[in-house]
Parts: sequence; C-alpha cells; structure tokens
Amino acid sequence: SQQGEEDPQALSIQEGENATMNCSYKTSINNLQWYRQNSGRGLVHLILIRSNEREKHSGRLRVTLDTSKKSSSLLITASRAADTASYFCATDENTGRRALTFGSGTRLQVQP
Amino acid sequence: GAGVSQSPSNKVTEKGKDVELRCDPISGHTALYWYRQSLGQGLEFLIYFQGNSAPDKSGLPSDRFSAERTGGSVSTLTIQRTQQEDSAVYLCASRGTTGRTGELFFGEGSRLTVL
Repeated sequence: SQQGEEDPQALSIQEGENATMNCSYKTSINNLQWYRQNSGRGLVHLILIRSNEREKHSGRLRVTLDTSKKSSSLLITASRAADTASYFCATDENTGRRALTFGSGTRLQVQP
Repeated sequence: GAGVSQSPSNKVTEKGKDVELRCDPISGHTALYWYRQSLGQGLEFLIYFQGNSAPDKSGLPSDRFSAERTGGSVSTLTIQRTQQEDSAVYLCASRGTTGRTGELFFGEGSRLTVL
C-alpha cells in the first residue's frame, strides 16, 4: 500500500481561489516532497520540506509539515487554470529505504 | 541530454511477448529509479540503482521483471511474458545528490499496453 495518502482525491475550484491538499504518511521520514504531474506527462518536483522544518514557501506554494501527526499540506494560492494537474506527496522514509514512496495523488481542476 | 529520456513513449504488445523499456538519465546522475503508474493511480516503486552498489529490487512484482544499468548510465527494464495487468506507464527518474534523498527528475514515461 502507499505510504502517503492524499486528501482529497479530487478537487475542483475556480481560478483565483486557494487549493489545499493534504498528505498523511505512516513511518518516520527524513523529508517530504511534493510533485506535480500534468496529464500524460512525467512528474515535476515542486518543493521539499525536511523533517525538522514546519513550513516552507516557494512562490504561490506553501507547504506545512507536522511530524507528530505524520501529515503535510500543500497550499496553492491564487490558483490559475494552468495549475490544473495531479499533485503527489512523496516521503523519504527514515528506514534505510532509498526510494521515495509516493501517495495516490490529488487531481486538481482549476476552472477559468 | 538536458533531461531524463525514455523510449519508446508508447508500446503496444501482445500478451506473452517480451518488452524492453529504456531510460537515459541526466548525465552525471548516480541514482536511477523505475516506477510504475497504473491509470489514475499513484507511483509504485520497482527498482533503484545507486552507483556501483547492488540495486534495490524490492519493488519488482514478479520474476518476469528485471532491470539493468550498464556503465552507470542507461538502464533497461525488461518484462518477460507480458500480461494484461502489466499495462501501465513506466516512469524512470534520476537523482544527482548523494546521501539523503533529494529531488527526482522524471522522464515522460513509457506507456505499455498489453493486448
């Protein structure tokens, strides 16, 4: 089963609104990353937050990490139609496993 | 090249045939990953190569799946005696940092359809 589970599975909003996606995971981690995937394309890295960080910003993106709750959130502010994509969280587990473990993703639709 | 290159981009094959999927990582990247993505799903880890270390094959779903990485660069994922459940997009990624996991750079994927 996937380490990370995203919530919601799908989200539809109007352009200009904020979009919030949540990710829960099960094991101790070194860092958590968010990726974006446009339909039919590969994944593109958005942002990485380390286990000792609680919040990180990059442009219109804001990521939070709560290691006590084993959860993270990705906030996209002032969304645009071009933000329409699937968003995945990925965990670097603190178990010796060297591969990132990906969640099932949130499909975001931004209506123009 | 500038990014991770995968070929073929699309492959349609008949059940029982063998297929080979190729990944050309970013030059100088020591780590290479193969993931599988079924329609509308997340990514399933298959195999990981790091430099000259023994690969982590823990994600390969059966012994019909194998992968190699020649010369520390190009990798080939081979699926023998394909089954319909093998139909998916196979994604390759590479990473340049050593030590703790950093950003992965993904290719566009190889879409495999087994009839």
